[in-house]
Amino acid sequence: GAGVSQSPSNKVTEKGKDVELRCDPISGHTALYWYRQSLGQGLEFLIYFQGNSAPDKSGLPSDRFSAERTGGSVSTLTIQRTQQEDSAVYLCASSRGLAGVQETQYFGPGTRLLVL
Amino acid sequence: KQEVTQIPAALSVPEGENLVLNCSFTDSAIYNLQWFRQDPGKGLTSLLLIQSSQREQTSGRLNASLDKSSGRSTLYIAASQPGDSATYLCAVRPLTGANSKLTFGKGITLSVRP
Repeated sequence: GAGVSQSPSNKVTEKGKDVELRCDPISGHTALYWYRQSLGQGLEFLIYFQGNSAPDKSGLPSDRFSAERTGGSVSTLTIQRTQQEDSAVYLCASSRGLAGVQETQYFGPGTRLLVL
Repeated sequence: KQEVTQIPAALSVPEGENLVLNCSFTDSAIYNLQWFRQDPGKGLTSLLLIQSSQREQTSGRLNASLDKSSGRSTLYIAASQPGDSATYLCAVRPLTGANSKLTFGKGITLSVRP
């Protein structure tokens, strides 16, 4: 595809339910990032995948959050036992992942999650 | 820990005005700094990327400057138009470490009045 795509675009769930958010990066991009944008909080880093390396999970806010990237392409962010404070826009980005290169990250449109 | 600040949080200007958006960061050990634009309900679009060794970058009516030693960047928008209304975010990439995760400011929401 031409850009990063994310699904669903909107998700409303009840507190305590699990949700899965999907990201399709730009073809050929080896680096994939998840960010969260909460009202009044700005964008915060969640997790980073680079090729076959172990992901950097340092931004995940709790053990209810997990992510995987299958086949070096599509990624799924899973939130278990959702809480109201998880309500936010979840943004995915990808980049070529070339070391030592000044490169930009390309962002998807985001998934707007509302936990009731 | 890197912190990025953008003040004010919102700005409203009449059409045609030249304006400057400010960004400051606490750790000068950066690889690059980027300015992004975000339209309501949309993702981020990269506007300009300034390498740590550069002082400025220009694209059309946009000019971004970087003063790494003082931890500041500005985005200059010339002859503003209503279509420039959006949220503008700056983000820095750290110099060290394999992770190229970005640290973002909270953004400045710009409204250009016709």
